Amino acid sequence: QQQVKQSPQSLIVQKGGISIINCAYENTAFDYFPWYQQFPGKGPALLIAIRPDVSEKKEGRFTISFNKSAKQFSLHIMDSQPGDSATYFCAATDSNYQLIWGAGTKLIIKP
Amino acid sequence: DAGVTQSPTHLIKTRGQQVTLRCSPISGHKSVSWYQQVLGQGPQFIFQYYEKEERGRGNFPDRFSARQFPNYSSELNVNALLLGDSALYLCASSFGTLAYNEQFFGPGTRLTVL
Repeated sequence: QQQVKQSPQSLIVQKGGISIINCAYENTAFDYFPWYQQFPGKGPALLIAIRPDVSEKKEGRFTISFNKSAKQFSLHIMDSQPGDSATYFCAATDSNYQLIWGAGTKLIIKP
Repeated sequence: DAGVTQSPTHLIKTRGQQVTLRCSPISGHKSVSWYQQVLGQGPQFIFQYYEKEERGRGNFPDRFSARQFPNYSSELNVNALLLGDSALYLCASSFGTLAYNEQFFGPGTRLTVL
């Protein structure tokens, strides 16, 4: 019940296309859903986060869509650029100290 | 401004040895968390310390221990190393203790156990 399942494991998108990464969870107590971006040799960095009281949050080219009834949330990257090539992690928490992380999606944007 | 720093960058140990990893948080941050990231997986929470006290512990054996110093830096110790301890160990600092206080990660220490 503590798992966060992330898909796909890897994704190749053409420059200018839309990248979509999906996550699903079981624990209905989760109330904070962040996405992290990790470049090789670096630690993860917070990209965008959402609370379950809204269905969508947009920051620049990055949008989180949240479906509370389906217990799913997704990251959309619009107009994907080669600089977006990285590994993306979704995570969830129940306001406690511990983030539960997905397994990650390696995104490659082809020029 | 300096971000979270970790040392060493890389470390090679043999089974049964002990290792100490170090972390310096962002200035002003009093909370430090440690994560283990095995290749191809997401980070797994190990510990959180705040004001030198342990505030949280993940599902890791007692071979793993940590402490936080008065200057808020932290050390992670792993005893009796196993091959399965090979991973990237990440340190994150934050202003508060809650998971939705933004955590800032260091570049990690790559530990290889032979």
